[in-house]
Amino acid sequence: EAGVTQSPTHLIKTRGQQATLRCSPISGHTSVYWYQQALGLGLQFLLWYDEGEERNRGNFPPRFSGRQFPNYSSELNVNALELEDSALYLCASSLGGGRNQPQHFGDGTRLSIL
Amino acid sequence: AQSVAQPEDQVNVAEGNPLTVKCTYSVSGNPYLFWYVQYPNRGLQFLLKYITGDNLVKGSYGFEAEFNKSQTSFHLKKPSALVSDSALYFCAVLGGSGTYKYIFGTGTRLKVLA
Repeated sequence: EAGVTQSPTHLIKTRGQQATLRCSPISGHTSVYWYQQALGLGLQFLLWYDEGEERNRGNFPPRFSGRQFPNYSSELNVNALELEDSALYLCASSLGGGRNQPQHFGDGTRLSIL
Repeated sequence: AQSVAQPEDQVNVAEGNPLTVKCTYSVSGNPYLFWYVQYPNRGLQFLLKYITGDNLVKGSYGFEAEFNKSQTSFHLKKPSALVSDSALYFCAVLGGSGTYKYIFGTGTRLKVLA
């Protein structure tokens, strides 16, 4: 079974630009989660999508947004990039609707802002 | 507000000795608790979860965790540590009362010394 795949692996941008990160969940999983892992800050929850709808959102400004497509893949968009947006962005998927379900993580996209 | 704390940034243990990685939580309602492990340059891997029932939960790679409601703790344990267990470990909680936001701890780096 293919795991969660994220692209690109690395992304280098400059301040003020926009970044798009992509995630393909495990086949059969309908929930997708996005996290930011900045150095020394652990994992910060960004967004949760399930069945194409945004279900919950972490404490991030509106320039962090995303969507989930009919095939359950997802995009995370970050506008007006700032230096502190440099981090590893992790996507996870799970079987939808169940709070009992563990999350399966991709290997992340490392976003570097110059 | 729900939260999870991992009080130790790093735990060192000799190979063959038992290991414990600590986690305490605060949630309203019944907690859903998880442990994940992260190897360098990889995403997180699910180890085990507590939903309900037996307070001792067994997971992958010989790990287990003990749920203690009175102490609001969910410590990760292994009877005999391996060098290959060296990694970053995250505790996560998903609170009750209708919230679907996963909260991760800041992580504990486990170093198993040969």
